[in-house]
Amino acid sequence: NAGVTQTPKFQVLKTGQSMTLQCAQDMNHNSMYWYRQDPGMGLRLIYYSASEGTTDKGEVPNGYNVSRLNKREFSLRLESAAPSQTSVYFCASSEARVREQFFGPGTRLTVL
Amino acid sequence: KNEVEQSPQNLTAQEGEFITINCSYSVGISALHWLQQHPGGGIVSLFMLSSGKKKHGRLIATINIQEKHSSLHITASHPRDSAVYICAVRETSGSRLTFGEGTQLTVNP
Repeated sequence: NAGVTQTPKFQVLKTGQSMTLQCAQDMNHNSMYWYRQDPGMGLRLIYYSASEGTTDKGEVPNGYNVSRLNKREFSLRLESAAPSQTSVYFCASSEARVREQFFGPGTRLTVL
Repeated sequence: KNEVEQSPQNLTAQEGEFITINCSYSVGISALHWLQQHPGGGIVSLFMLSSGKKKHGRLIATINIQEKHSSLHITASHPRDSAVYICAVRETSGSRLTFGEGTQLTVNP
């Protein structure tokens, strides 16, 4: 099993460009999450999906959109990237919202 | 004040030492998680606990619900334990995790 996979691993964007971060899990988990990690701060939840077909805002959703394409895949889209979105992005999944979370390897995004 | 505070922020130890990392929180919780972030960036869940104590190999996690405090202990530390250790809590009022900033542990040979 690959667990949680994320693509790309690294990305550099110019301000105003758009991109989609992809996440997939092969553990048949119901819940999936997108976090960002910034220096000096804990992981912060951007969006989550408690189950297929549902998505909800987390702590820092502004500037992002998500799609739960199916049970396996949960994508994060930046419509118009800003330097403040420079961060490391982690996708995670769990069997249920109150269970242990499994993390992907992360995407390091730089917005110039 | 952050809801989840970890101490110390940075910790350097010699191989073989007993290590303790602390986590204090200010809200009512249903569970507390300890995670490890490797130097390469990957994050692995170590423990999820809501009471008492759990042990896995050289790692021990304890929690005192009344005092709103948890500790992560590493016995016989090894350089491969060098990583960032992150505490996260799940509030009783919801299911979202709130994360601490992490403790950077360096174990020297």
